[in-house]
Amino acid sequence: QKEVEQNSGPLSVPEGAIASLNCTYSDRGSQSFFWYRQYSGKSPELIMFIYSNGDKEDGRFTAQLNKASQYVSLLIRDSQPSDSATYLCAVRHAARQLTFGSGTQLTVLP
Amino acid sequence: DGGITQSPKYLFRKEGQNVTLSCEQNLNHDAMYWYRQDPGQGLRLIYYSQIVNDFQKGDIAEGYSVSREKKESFPLTVTSAQKNPTAFYLCASSPDRGSSYEQYFGPGTRLTVT
Repeated sequence: QKEVEQNSGPLSVPEGAIASLNCTYSDRGSQSFFWYRQYSGKSPELIMFIYSNGDKEDGRFTAQLNKASQYVSLLIRDSQPSDSATYLCAVRHAARQLTFGSGTQLTVLP
Repeated sequence: DGGITQSPKYLFRKEGQNVTLSCEQNLNHDAMYWYRQDPGQGLRLIYYSQIVNDFQKGDIAEGYSVSREKKESFPLTVTSAQKNPTAFYLCASSPDRGSSYEQYFGPGTRLTVT
């Protein structure tokens, strides 16, 4: 059973702070890792993907991958109220399908 | 204007009726997917297709059927055999090449069966 675990939250951070979202996965053969943002009632929107150990930065977002520990995280710097959403972690296996976590609800307080 | 379209946005049906959800993409992506999302939960894979005229079952295919007659289109039929069909249905596509195979989603169809 390929599993992806996320803390469901809700996670609340003040505006301007760093939000840290974490995800662990069970399949050591997983190859690519994705973060999606989903606003209430809307479809998921791809934020970032990463497939090498280390950090990958894109604007205010940084994805971190540690394959030995089987976790991937998303950091959001200078959090804004517009970042309030559910963040979905997804993991791609060798068969090229994605398994999604249940998401972490983030609230950025003005 | 490239993207993935799903129609309708909201759909209401009576129990026992089959219903077909539309998904079209003009991104020239090879692979297409159907997911179901229930409140407070992640996405679960129903069916996927990596090439025209071929598709595979995902984790929860029972009560659903699909076709892939054209690269651009991947309709999903929710049959009367699906025991709990009310959900948010999401279609996605992927270029299915390179190292990441990232998936992009359409706006979704919210199906309510009473």
